[in-house]
Amino acid sequence: GQQVMQIPQYQHVQEGEDFTTYCNSSTTLSNIQWYKQRPGGHPVFLIQLVKSGEVKKQKRLTFQFGEAKKNSSLHITATQTTDVGTYFCAGPTHDMRFGAGTRLTVKP
Amino acid sequence: DAGVIQSPRHEVTEMGQEVTLRCKPISGHNSLFWYRQTMMRGLELLIYFNNNVPIDDSGMPEDRFSAKMPNASFSTLKIQPSEPRDSAVYFCASSFGLVSETQYFGPGTRLLVL
Repeated sequence: GQQVMQIPQYQHVQEGEDFTTYCNSSTTLSNIQWYKQRPGGHPVFLIQLVKSGEVKKQKRLTFQFGEAKKNSSLHITATQTTDVGTYFCAGPTHDMRFGAGTRLTVKP
Repeated sequence: DAGVIQSPRHEVTEMGQEVTLRCKPISGHNSLFWYRQTMMRGLELLIYFNNNVPIDDSGMPEDRFSAKMPNASFSTLKIQPSEPRDSAVYFCASSFGLVSETQYFGPGTRLLVL
């Protein structure tokens, strides 16, 4: 299976600043999932996007699926120290693997 | 409800030794996945099963690695003989269904091969 490209690899922000991570695929995806892994922990499911142009929100987190279903983004508004961790995107198991992840650190 | 259970949580062994990692998926889930995570290579899918049958083992590094799922509630990942480059965190995950289903990860096994 192919992997998506995820950028940036690292992001360090001051608490209260916004954060965005991007996921890009060369092929159309039937769906995309986002996971969060806290330091020393295991990946935990956040959300799944299925429809073209879909936007979903979870409190300060906003997830978007591109119109062409080849890219996705996760945006965090006003980061908090609890947002620290690595954020992964992942496609359907049979078609794609996890992205490399974006590691977010937040300075209080 | 218990999540995915993995054992042992930590394993330290010497090069050349056999290592067996164990996983109990969430009850009712029919797909099981083994991943390896390292700083250098990130999260790699090694193999996955559906209804106890291996579907794709193309991620298994080499013949030293083998995985089995004798029944719906148990799977093993075996490394024989182990090498220092096998040091990593090994995650097991399960899902209800195979395509486009949420995967629930276990806590992982931290393996160190000296």
